[in-house]
Amino acid sequence: DSGVTQTPKHLITATGQRVTLRCSPRSGDLSVYWYQQSLDQGLQFLIQYYNGEERAKGNILERFSAQQFPDLHSELNLSSLELGDSALYFCASSVGDTPSNYGYTFGSGTRLTVV
Amino acid sequence: GESVGLHLPTLSVQEGDNSIINCAYSNSASDYFIWYKQESGKGPQFIIDIRSNMDKRQGQRVTVLLNKTVKHLSLQIAATQPGDSAVYFCAESGRYSTLTFGKGTMLLVSP
Repeated sequence: DSGVTQTPKHLITATGQRVTLRCSPRSGDLSVYWYQQSLDQGLQFLIQYYNGEERAKGNILERFSAQQFPDLHSELNLSSLELGDSALYFCASSVGDTPSNYGYTFGSGTRLTVV
Repeated sequence: GESVGLHLPTLSVQEGDNSIINCAYSNSASDYFIWYKQESGKGPQFIIDIRSNMDKRQGQRVTVLLNKTVKHLSLQIAATQPGDSAVYFCAESGRYSTLTFGKGTMLLVSP
């Protein structure tokens, strides 16, 4: 167990729907990162939050949004889902706002299937 | 769990052999590099890291080599075991940037 908790582990939903993925970072970590992993795109960085504030943005679609709450857990909201959004979504955490010393700790991911 | 490596380059070795996995990175400003291991159905797991002021770092059965001149990183695994079978990713970051991951290499170890 890495200490990063993601729920749910699996999610199946229809096109056009909206889902929320949840992440609890490792105890003591202030940064949360979201990554999307698909077969042909590898691990793509979506967004980072540090202590409740957005810190960096990657290839995140406008249909996607995220937030980090005062207790440091984070949620990734995916709306108007398309078949191409089917992927593994990983949350990772780190103590600081940069990947120094052991990089990020990853959760076990949420597998999203859009049908 | 479903494989994430269907379209990845694959390295097949025999148990006990040494494995070398290579990675070319793109950003000459990157100063921190990490190798991750991802087993089927799990998230990436930290293996070893190296900073740009070093060219070699050793861990337990693993060694990372960094060649900044040609922007190349390699992971050497000694006495490869079936439990080493996984997808291996290199990742890079600059001083104030997030980690960018490479495409990954699948390592298959035969007993």
